[in-house]
Amino acid sequence: RKEVEQDPGPFNVPEGATVAFNCTYSNSASQSFFWYRQDCRKEPKLLMSVYSSGNEDGRFTAQLNRASQYISLLIRDSKLSDSATYLCVVENSGYSTLTFGKGTMLLVSP
Amino acid sequence: DGGITQSPKYLFRKEGQNVTLSCEQNLNHDAMYWYRQDPGQGLRLIYYSQIVNDFQKGDIAEGYSVSREKKESFPLTVTSAQKNPTAFYLCASRGGGGPYEQFFGPGTRLTVL
Repeated sequence: RKEVEQDPGPFNVPEGATVAFNCTYSNSASQSFFWYRQDCRKEPKLLMSVYSSGNEDGRFTAQLNRASQYISLLIRDSKLSDSATYLCVVENSGYSTLTFGKGTMLLVSP
Repeated sequence: DGGITQSPKYLFRKEGQNVTLSCEQNLNHDAMYWYRQDPGQGLRLIYYSQIVNDFQKGDIAEGYSVSREKKESFPLTVTSAQKNPTAFYLCASRGGGGPYEQFFGPGTRLTVL
């Protein structure tokens, strides 16, 4: 069975803090990786895709380490609006399906 | 606006009843998916369809059925055989080619009374 494991959380941080989420995956053949954000009682929304060289989008930076089968998401200068659950998602090679981690909850306080 | 719609938003069912959840997309996406999410759990794949008139079972298909008669529509029926149907149901779609990101509808909360 293909698995995606995430830090269980929750992470409680003050505004302005830097926070990092980690994720490991078991399917070494996977080629596509994503971070989704899910607000309470809402649908998941794509935050960013993760590329081999690492990528940045404003305050968010994603890193991929294929050798260790490890993905990370770094959020700098946390805002109250960043409070949500962050889902690590891995493509199942050859099946056009995705495996979702259980998510890590982030709570940003004033 | 292009997007995915699901209806109803909330659904209440008596034990022993079948119910059908609607999912429609106007994104011209080929692939569509149904997931179930329980509190504190990740999304689990129920069924998916990569093309009209074809679909495959996901990890937890027992007690569910689907059809894909039109590209835009992928309804999910929760049958009385599903032992624990109370959950948040999410429909998603994906366009052709890579990468494989999926886009979600707003979900349906099903409660069995």
